[in-house]
Amino acid sequence: GDSVTQMEGPVTLSEEAFLTINCTYTATGYPSLFWYVQYPGEGLQLLLKATKADDKGSNKGFEATYRKETTSFHLEKGSVQVSDSAVYFCAHCDNQGGKLIFGQGTELSVKP
Amino acid sequence: EAGVAQSPRYKIIEKRQSVAFWCNPISGHATLYWYQQILGQGPKLLIQFQNNGVVDDSQLPKDRFSAERLKGVDSTLKIQPAKLEDSAVYLCASSSPQTYTGPADTQYFGPGTRLTVL
Repeated sequence: GDSVTQMEGPVTLSEEAFLTINCTYTATGYPSLFWYVQYPGEGLQLLLKATKADDKGSNKGFEATYRKETTSFHLEKGSVQVSDSAVYFCAHCDNQGGKLIFGQGTELSVKP
Repeated sequence: EAGVAQSPRYKIIEKRQSVAFWCNPISGHATLYWYQQILGQGPKLLIQFQNNGVVDDSQLPKDRFSAERLKGVDSTLKIQPAKLEDSAVYLCASSSPQTYTGPADTQYFGPGTRLTVL
């Protein structure tokens, strides 16, 4: 069935380090892909999205490219800040009804 | 613009009791979703409404869970009777200004209700 697999956390980085969080998916057809972020004590927020192959989503210095050939949507940021500490969820949206299928989440902790 | 509102924020009950959660979506949003997020996992869809009709309830445990969206606006999710494994955060989300326009419509999430079943 459809699923999303993320790299396991927690991930601990020093400020200004480079971030990669891996995400791969299985789906029928070509779903839309998303990264959501959950800051401590807050609800889920959309970080970025891509709707077709080779699209690059970007926001707040984060980027992810829709790779159809590898069924991946890895999240990257060149220089993380303490304020980026949060749980990051990769998700895809089926093209039938619109429900999101989430990965298990990756906790990121950035130390000063 | 006001976001998705949910209440209560926290609820503690004993097993076999009943509980209800309320959600008010963003004004004008036609599509409403209820997700269950168990600790350490990603959210899982329970039910999806388009206006006041059910689009997908395939993952809803219908022997104990029920949901309604009267008049296509507010929604309530009920559990009766609750089990220990129902302990989770229940998230409500909404999307689509008018009608469902495609899979890339952004879903806006509420803060969630954290349920603890003892």
